[in-house]
Parts: sequence; C-alpha cells; structure tokens
Amino acid sequence: DAKTTQPNSMESNEEEPVHLPCNHSTISGTDYIHWYRQLPSQGPEYVIHGLTSNVNNRMASLAIAEDRKSSTLILHRATLRDAAVYYCIPGYNNNDMRFGAGTRLTVKP
Amino acid sequence: DAGITQSPRYKITETGRQVTLMCHQTWSHSYMFWYRQDLGHGLRLIYYSAAADITDKGEVPDGYVVSRSKTENFPLTLESATRSQTSVYFCASSDRGLVYGYTFGSGTRLTVV
Repeated sequence: DAKTTQPNSMESNEEEPVHLPCNHSTISGTDYIHWYRQLPSQGPEYVIHGLTSNVNNRMASLAIAEDRKSSTLILHRATLRDAAVYYCIPGYNNNDMRFGAGTRLTVKP
Repeated sequence: DAGITQSPRYKITETGRQVTLMCHQTWSHSYMFWYRQDLGHGLRLIYYSAAADITDKGEVPDGYVVSRSKTENFPLTLESATRSQTSVYFCASSDRGLVYGYTFGSGTRLTVV
C-alpha cells in the first residue's frame, strides 16, 4: 500500500483558497488518489478522486503532480463548514481503504 | 428514506455481552464495509462484503462477526464485548468498490463498561 504524508493541521481564513498537500511517493501506476473529509461527529464523506490529470467537481479541485508522487486538494473559497479532517488515500487494494491521520483544517472567520 | 443508516446511534454494554450493530442501505450497493475509529488510530477496516453472502476480513477483524444474507443489510456482531472495543463504528457502502466513492453512515458510538 502506498504511504501518505499529510500535515497534521492547517489553518485558513474564511473565503480564501486552501491548498491541502499530500505526498504519496510509493503510489503505483494504476492507483487512484482519493480525498475524503470528516466533519465533526460525522462519518467521512467523499470529496474527489483522480488518476493522472487534474479533476474538478462542485466541492473541490484535485491537482496531481506529473510524477503522481504528490497531490493537492484545493478548496477555492473556504467556508466555516469546510472545517474538517481531510484524508488523502492513494489507491487501495482489495477494498481495504486505509485512512491515515489526515489534515485537520481550521477555518477562521 | 434513501441512504445508509446505522443503529443504534449510541450503545452502552457490559463486558462479555453480545451486541449487534446494524447497517442498512437503500441503494442496493454491492459493497459494504465496517470501520472503527479510535482516538489516535484513525479509521480501521474491520470487515467488508462484496455482495450478499460474501464477506472478508479487513485490518482488525478479531472479536467481530459479520453476515450479509441480504444486499441491503450488513450487521456487525461483537460476540463477547471487551473494553478495547469501545469505539465509534462506521458502516459504508459503495456501488463498485474501489473507484466510485464510499458513502458512510453517521456512526454508532459503542461504550463497553
């Protein structure tokens, strides 16, 4: 399984962009990169996923490095509701999705 | 209501008792999962199921039993609860497993005293 490195915590101001980094240097060529987030007292929720090219959806954008050893989740305008723990999960085998410690994002008004 | 529901929301049980946590999904997703979340450990996979009557162990299966006689239900049983099983348990489902995203329930907070 690919190992991930994410900052333990990050802070952002409301309505400013946030870039959440993730290093996954041991990712294999066919592994997708998934991002989930977990709001306080809730289960994780899917945010976005990608393989090689950058991806956009209504929640966020995912920028994937050309060598795929790192990726960045981009929240274009952080809101207070975006305060959560964000998990980067690069590829999983046999349906064993491994959640690490993630990055705790604090959004300041 | 459509979605994935877990019950009970909270449960306190005594050491040695059997307890079953329920998970129900209305989408007919083929894959279902059970995770536990403890402080300092993040989420860890207990068991998963690829279809009715097909289950497999995850990272931390000891002390747990699952069954899946119907696609929509995936109960998790602690045969003889221990204090180390005090945790928050999350159920999840997915349409095609790997790529298409998991949907999680709201969790069951279990306390074993």
